[in-house]
Amino acid sequence: EAQVTQNPRYLITVTGKKLTVTCSQNMNHEYMSWYRQDPGLGLRQIYYSMNVEVTDKGDVPEGYKVSRKEKRNFPLILESPSPNQTSLYFCASRTTTSRLSHTQYFGPGTRLTVL
Amino acid sequence: QQQVKQSPQSLIVQKGGIPIINCAYENTAFDYFPWYQQFPGKGPALLIAIRPDVSEKKEGRFTISFNKSAKQFSLHIMDSQPGDSATYFCAASNSGAGSYQLTFGKGTKLSVIP
Repeated sequence: EAQVTQNPRYLITVTGKKLTVTCSQNMNHEYMSWYRQDPGLGLRQIYYSMNVEVTDKGDVPEGYKVSRKEKRNFPLILESPSPNQTSLYFCASRTTTSRLSHTQYFGPGTRLTVL
Repeated sequence: QQQVKQSPQSLIVQKGGIPIINCAYENTAFDYFPWYQQFPGKGPALLIAIRPDVSEKKEGRFTISFNKSAKQFSLHIMDSQPGDSATYFCAASNSGAGSYQLTFGKGTKLSVIP
């Protein structure tokens, strides 16, 4: 089954404790992206990657890091989480080689609480 | 500066009604306008999308109306059902520039009551 998976699905942590949220897709997609979803603010892009070893900032990158060492994986790293990073996080992917397909496929989400 | 403005923030309709969600954009370079549907506890999923060379696109009970001159597009749900209760996001992108970034509206929470 074609899908984007994220782990963990739920995470409660404390301020300053480094954490990583993993994202993996099995569709051989070149483009991957991280979003955060907050009430009343919709979906805001954190970082994206056009392909392996190619990453760039989205609209709200402060406090986050990413890496793309393999095509299928795109982990989101919070080196020193703060309470304002409490949010619902989504990973997404899409192909860039098809002119007909523009669909972004989203993972199930990771709900992060930083105390 | 918000590039895609979505309204209303929430919407309650009776079963069988026709909810309408509106979006307006500012960037005239946008050339792809999708709508995503999100159920509680799930990630958003593509519902329907339109390009500016057509004024309307229909897929089942879902219709996008597009007004290029007004820079507005809207989602209509015909014969709405309780199972349509979800959050709906409009989005836009400039695919012609080789950009794959989607700019999302803030979302509309739709409740369809029996």
